[in-house]
Amino acid sequence: EVQLVESGGGLAQPGGSLRLSCAASGFTFSSNAINWVRQAPGKGLEWVSRISSGGGSTYYADSVKGRFTISRDNSKNTVYLQMNNLRAEDTAVYYCAKRAVAGLWYYDLWGRGTLVTVSS
Amino acid sequence: EIVLTQSPGTLSLSPGERATLSCRASQSVSSNYLAWYQQKPGQAPRLLISGASSRATGIPDRFSGSGSGTDFTLTISRLEPEDFAVYYCQQYGSPPQTFGQGTKVEIK
Repeated sequence: EVQLVESGGGLAQPGGSLRLSCAASGFTFSSNAINWVRQAPGKGLEWVSRISSGGGSTYYADSVKGRFTISRDNSKNTVYLQMNNLRAEDTAVYYCAKRAVAGLWYYDLWGRGTLVTVSS
Repeated sequence: EIVLTQSPGTLSLSPGERATLSCRASQSVSSNYLAWYQQKPGQAPRLLISGASSRATGIPDRFSGSGSGTDFTLTISRLEPEDFAVYYCQQYGSPPQTFGQGTKVEIK
């Protein structure tokens, strides 16, 4: 089955850290860039970060630059999002997503998401 | 960055009615690189439309997208019970990609 499965969410204190994982199956993971998109409670979608298929290129939204780090392990078909210095405004459901077409940044496969709550 | 404004915020309609959702961009969307997604409670977004008007695989033909430049529309010709959801537009022509705030289509 073609799918993405996120894990690693939970409760963190302001200033704390969490590491999210996105496990892929059913498609050629190593040929695909992967993105993280988040959705704050009751809000819209916000692109967070992406990593190229080989891992050599990474990009971040300004809101997370310098605090979040994206990486991948193609031998494990998994992408990670290391989140440091968390803030209340990082509270959201985090989705990983695969683009539909090489070179174009819209998504045909999404995971079900993992909830991150930042609160003291 | 390009700001996408969706209207209305909520659309109250009955099954069988036509739904027209608007997405307006703060500047022209390059190559009409605009997508539409459907999201139901507790679920991930589902791709409906890309390139402003191309239906994704498996999407019923009651869903259609149109528009260019700064003004885009998603039309659902006859609402089915499973179509009541939140709909988001996304532009991917100019980095950073951005999403609209969503339009909720609810049962009247």
